[in-house]
Amino acid sequence: GAGVSQSPRYKVAKRGQDVALRCDPISGHVSLFWYQQALGQGPEFLTYFQNEAQLDKSGLPSDRFFAERPEGSVSTLKIQRTQQEDSAVYLCASSLNRLPIKTQYFGPGTRLLVL
Amino acid sequence: RKEVEQDPGPFNVPEGATVAFNCTYSNSASQSFFWYRQDCRKEPKLLMSVYSSGNEDGRFTAQLNRASQYISLLIRDSKLSDSATYLCVVLWPPSGTYKYIFGTGTRLKVLA
Repeated sequence: GAGVSQSPRYKVAKRGQDVALRCDPISGHVSLFWYQQALGQGPEFLTYFQNEAQLDKSGLPSDRFFAERPEGSVSTLKIQRTQQEDSAVYLCASSLNRLPIKTQYFGPGTRLLVL
Repeated sequence: RKEVEQDPGPFNVPEGATVAFNCTYSNSASQSFFWYRQDCRKEPKLLMSVYSSGNEDGRFTAQLNRASQYISLLIRDSKLSDSATYLCVVLWPPSGTYKYIFGTGTRLKVLA
């Protein structure tokens, strides 16, 4: 009965380091989204998975960003060679059904700070 | 023009006041609309969907005006616990897959 969980909750990285952010969606949820939320802004879409298939990655800001969901459950967002502008909260959301859907359930987010 | 626009606020209102937020969207083919609430340093949570005929949930009323491409949220009898950021969300028509576009959010602070 747990909700969406994300780890780590906080991450401090030095510029140039690689980071991996994990999302555990609600069990059985088909759809999984990643969003980036900068301070004072709304969440910005990064990518969408339907089961293990990445159907939309149009929001990934550069080729340093990579996401996967190999078994259709847990997902990882990887950022290579982090830059200061990558500092943000990274939110994962899941939904029972495929798009279009009514309700997304968000995880608590990972706060990434790149120094 | 941004795809979804909101007045960032903050809106500072006394307890018991009625407050309304608007949100405009740029794509007339947008299909579904939602209001999410986000507390400080927390994740967004669905407040309510917005239906064409307008809908109410307790003290909250949401309305959609397709002709003018805006949605609104009205909060009556504001409570201290209503203090949060309210995010307008629009389901973007597909060019491949659907996408949820969030506004920047409107901050509400209800004062005692």
